[in-house]
Order: sequence, then C-alpha cells, then structure tokens
Amino acid sequence: QVQLQESGPGLVKPSGTLSLTCAVSGGSISSSNWWSWVRQPPGKGLEWIGEIYHSGSTNYNPSLKSRVTISVDKSKNQFSLKLSSVTAADTAVYYCAKRSTWSPFDYWGQGTLVTVSS
Amino acid sequence: EIVLTQSPGTLSLSPGERATLSCRASQSVSSSYLAWYQQKPGQAPRLLIYGASSRATGIPDRFSGSGSGTDFTLTISRLEPEDFAVYYCQQYGSSPEYTFGQGTKLEIK
Repeated sequence: QVQLQESGPGLVKPSGTLSLTCAVSGGSISSSNWWSWVRQPPGKGLEWIGEIYHSGSTNYNPSLKSRVTISVDKSKNQFSLKLSSVTAADTAVYYCAKRSTWSPFDYWGQGTLVTVSS
Repeated sequence: EIVLTQSPGTLSLSPGERATLSCRASQSVSSSYLAWYQQKPGQAPRLLIYGASSRATGIPDRFSGSGSGTDFTLTISRLEPEDFAVYYCQQYGSSPEYTFGQGTKLEIK
C-alpha cells in the first residue's frame, strides 16, 4: 500500500518561495502513476496545483502555472513542489496525492499546513 | 475550465435517513470521469466513487453514484454517524485541469 508524507517549512515569508517534498513509500515513484499536489485554504475547498510523471512530464493548473515548479527525485523516491512569489492567499494545507492515468486521486498524504506571514 | 457546482451547500439529516448530493458541470464531463470524495475535519479527502458510479476499494455499498454528461449524484442510502462530513465532486477527464466542486457539508440534524 502506497503511503505519502509531506514535509517542509510551515511558515514562509510573503514574496518568498514555498518548498515542499512528498516522500513515497510502499511503491516506486517510477511506476505508472501521476504524482500531484493539491491545496486547501483554511475552511475552503480543494484546488489542484499540478502533477508530475516519473519521466519528468508535468501538468500545471493554468491559474498557478507561472509560479509553480514540480520535480521528481527517483533516487529518493520523492517529488517536490516549489511555489514562488507567495502571498497570504497561498496559506493552505498542502496535500500530495497519487493517481493513475485517467483515474482520480486514490492515495493522499496527511497534509501539511503552510502559512504565509511575515 | 470545467466548473463544478455542488448543491446543496449544507444538508441537515438524521442517522438512518437517505442523503442525495448533486454535482452539476458547466460542460460535459468526458467518459464520466467524475469522482466523489469524503473529507472529515483534519483529514485528507478519501476517494468514494470514480467513473461516476464505481465504488472505490473498501467503500460500503450504502454509497452510490450516478449520472452522466453534466449532472451527477451521490446517494447515501442510510446515513451512519460516521458519514457526516464534507463531500466533494471532482472531474478528472479534462486535462490538465482537475477541478473540484465547492463541497457539500452533510451535518447531523
């Protein structure tokens, strides 16, 4: 059974870069899956940020594309998110998640709260 | 972008009752690539239904999904105490935007 675990700073300064990592266990990141980031502002709904395949192919939410970079580290079986030029509106719980092609998100990390504040 | 609109925003019911949640898409969802998730406070979403009507592994048969095109429904036949949560629909057929509905909160009456 695949398990996902997010890690990274819980506080980021405005205009800075948010950086998170998702460690994958119980399966290989090089399997035929897409690895995604989804966020949820406090008390609000879910927003898909983007995804990566082990080959390095990526898809991003057009509304965030200019600020997002998702990368994969196959040697460490993990993938990462960088979100630049953050503002208070980027304060959210950030989840990593897995899906197979043409499938929804079937495995999720527990989520990590990132607060943007000076 | 496909916009998903869920109704009602909040549904107040008692254990044992039947719950019907709606998800309407702004354009047709290809091949019924529509999923439903359950989220409880402080937890990650849990996949309930995929392909509009197929239950995910381990999901009780009191949960059922139906619909096609632009109109989809999640039905919980007899509510158990653990079913009170927020429910989200999501389309995953329109790459690269996997949009979610705004959620329906199912609360105990």
